[in-house]
Amino acid sequence: DSGVTQTPKHLITATGQRVTLRCSPRSGDLSVYWYQQSLDQGLQFLIQYYNGEERAKGNILERFSAQQFPDLHSELNLSSLELGDSALYFCASSAGTGPYGYTFGSGTRLTVV
Amino acid sequence: DQQVKQNSPSLSVQEGRISILNCDYTNSMFDYFLWYKKYPAEGPTFLISISSIKDKNEDGRFTVFLNKSAKHLSLHIVPSQPGDSAVYFCAASAKGDKIIFGKGTRLHILP
Repeated sequence: DSGVTQTPKHLITATGQRVTLRCSPRSGDLSVYWYQQSLDQGLQFLIQYYNGEERAKGNILERFSAQQFPDLHSELNLSSLELGDSALYFCASSAGTGPYGYTFGSGTRLTVV
Repeated sequence: DQQVKQNSPSLSVQEGRISILNCDYTNSMFDYFLWYKKYPAEGPTFLISISSIKDKNEDGRFTVFLNKSAKHLSLHIVPSQPGDSAVYFCAASAKGDKIIFGKGTRLHILP
């Protein structure tokens, strides 16, 4: 157990639908990062939050949004889902904002049918 | 546009021999490099890192080499063990920014 909890582990939904992925960071970590891993793709950075504020944005589609709540858990919202959104979505947390000590959760596998 | 490239999708190595995983990068602003290891159904876990002020960092069986002029780094695993079979991600960061990952190399350790 890495200390980073992602729910649900698996999600199957239809095109056009909306889903919410949840991430609870490791205790004491203030940063949360979201990554997407599609077939034949590496871990694509989506977005980073630090202590409730958006800090960095990557290749995140406009149909996707995220937020970090006062208790530091984060949610990634994916809407108007397309088949190509099927992927593994990973959340990572770290104490600070630098590239050190990222701890990843075990991911949410999203399948859009 | 892949800033971190791992051109070998997979690699097979005999148990006990050396495994060498390669990685190239294009962004000259990268100053911190990492390797992560991933088993199926788990998230990536940190393995080893190196700052751009060094050209080598060693941790037990794992050594990372950095060649800044060639924008190339490699991970050496000696000796390779069955538990090393996993996907290895090369990653980099610029000026304390978020980590950018490559596509990964699947390492198979053969008995």
